Amino acid sequence: KAGVTQTPRYLIKTRGQQVTLSCSPISGHRSVSWYQQTPGQGLQFLFEYFSETQRNKGNFPGRFSGRQFSNSRSEMNVSTLELGDSALYLCASSLEGGAEETQYFGPGTRLLVL
Amino acid sequence: AQSVTQLGSHVSVSEGALVLLRCNYSSSVPPYLFWYVQYPNQGLQLLLKYTSAATLVKGINGFEAEFKKSETSFHLTKPSAHMSDAAEYFCAVKRTDSWGKLQFGAGTQVVVTP
Repeated sequence: KAGVTQTPRYLIKTRGQQVTLSCSPISGHRSVSWYQQTPGQGLQFLFEYFSETQRNKGNFPGRFSGRQFSNSRSEMNVSTLELGDSALYLCASSLEGGAEETQYFGPGTRLLVL
Repeated sequence: AQSVTQLGSHVSVSEGALVLLRCNYSSSVPPYLFWYVQYPNQGLQLLLKYTSAATLVKGINGFEAEFKKSETSFHLTKPSAHMSDAAEYFCAVKRTDSWGKLQFGAGTQVVVTP
């Protein structure tokens, strides 16, 4: 079974631009979570989608948004990019997002904001 | 509020020696606990997880962890370190009501010396 895939793997943007990242979960998984990883703040939860609905949200500004499609694929969007948005963005999927379920991570999208 | 503390941001261990990575959580109710490993330029891979079935949990690559409720700890161990164990290790918790949200510790970078 194919793992979680994320595209693109690397991205360079300038301040003020917007960016869209894509995540395809493992087949059959309906829950998709997004995380931001930076050297200073570590791994932080952005949001989780299940059945096309945002079910949980972390403490990030409204510039960070996401959505999920009927095939469970998910996208996240960051508008008006800031230098501090430079990070590795990780997507993870699980069957239904239950507390005991394992989340399987993709390789991440590394975003550099100049 | 729930938090995860990993003691030691960097650990150096000799090849063949014991690997011990410490993780403490704060929660009035034992959560679900996970250990993940991250190799350079990769996503996170699950090593093992505690879901209340057994206090001693065995994972992949010879790792194991013991859940100690009285100490609110979930330390990760491996009897004999291998060069391939050099990576960053993350302890994470999930509450029963936190759909799809993993809360991570700051991580411990493991260096294995010959």
